[in-house]
Amino acid sequence: AQSVTQPDIHITVSEGASLELRCNYSYGATPYLFWYVQSPGQGLQLLLKYFSGDTLVQGIKGFEAEFKRSQSSFNLRKPSVHWSDAAEYFCAVGPADQGGKLIFGQGTELSVKP
Amino acid sequence: GAVVSQHPSWVICKSGTSVKIECRSLDFQATTMFWYRQFPKQSLMLMATSNEGSKATYEQGVEKDKFLINHASLTLSTLTVTSAHPEDSSFYICSALGSGQETQYFGPGTRLLVL
Repeated sequence: AQSVTQPDIHITVSEGASLELRCNYSYGATPYLFWYVQSPGQGLQLLLKYFSGDTLVQGIKGFEAEFKRSQSSFNLRKPSVHWSDAAEYFCAVGPADQGGKLIFGQGTELSVKP
Repeated sequence: GAVVSQHPSWVICKSGTSVKIECRSLDFQATTMFWYRQFPKQSLMLMATSNEGSKATYEQGVEKDKFLINHASLTLSTLTVTSAHPEDSSFYICSALGSGQETQYFGPGTRLLVL
């Protein structure tokens, strides 16, 4: 079955520290991969996406993610976290043959310490 | 570009009433729109997929007679929660997908509270 796992429910990092949010997926072929961010009470904003090509993708707000086929992973990274990055982060998989439907991970809540 | 709006942003209603939520794609034509439900501290649960001009496809366990979806134009989809009850209180989010696109763009969400 297709699934997305975000192993970390909650992560706390200090402002200025580096960040890595983990995402693993289960799918028979290469899916479309997304990271979205959600601030409290808000909708989702697309951070970045991977469809094909270069496995290291750059997104908005200084985020990047690397697709590793051998590990079925698409981890999100940021070299230096800002207090405004505190939010909920969702990894999603969009199988190409599913008419645009997305499968979401459980989400990782990021807290940033001053 | 790729802006999706929702209206209202929040609504409080009495049990037994119906509530309509609108989802609009402001700067692109959305051939497909999705409706999600999100409980506090949880992920998004897909409720249904609607394609312009056709009936919505509901996910397993979602009552189609309770959650009426209409996608009458390429820029507007509506979700009507009929005879709402307190257990329907939730955060409802829509997203839109343009023709030939692979990226969904999300609305800001509608918080529904049923008293």
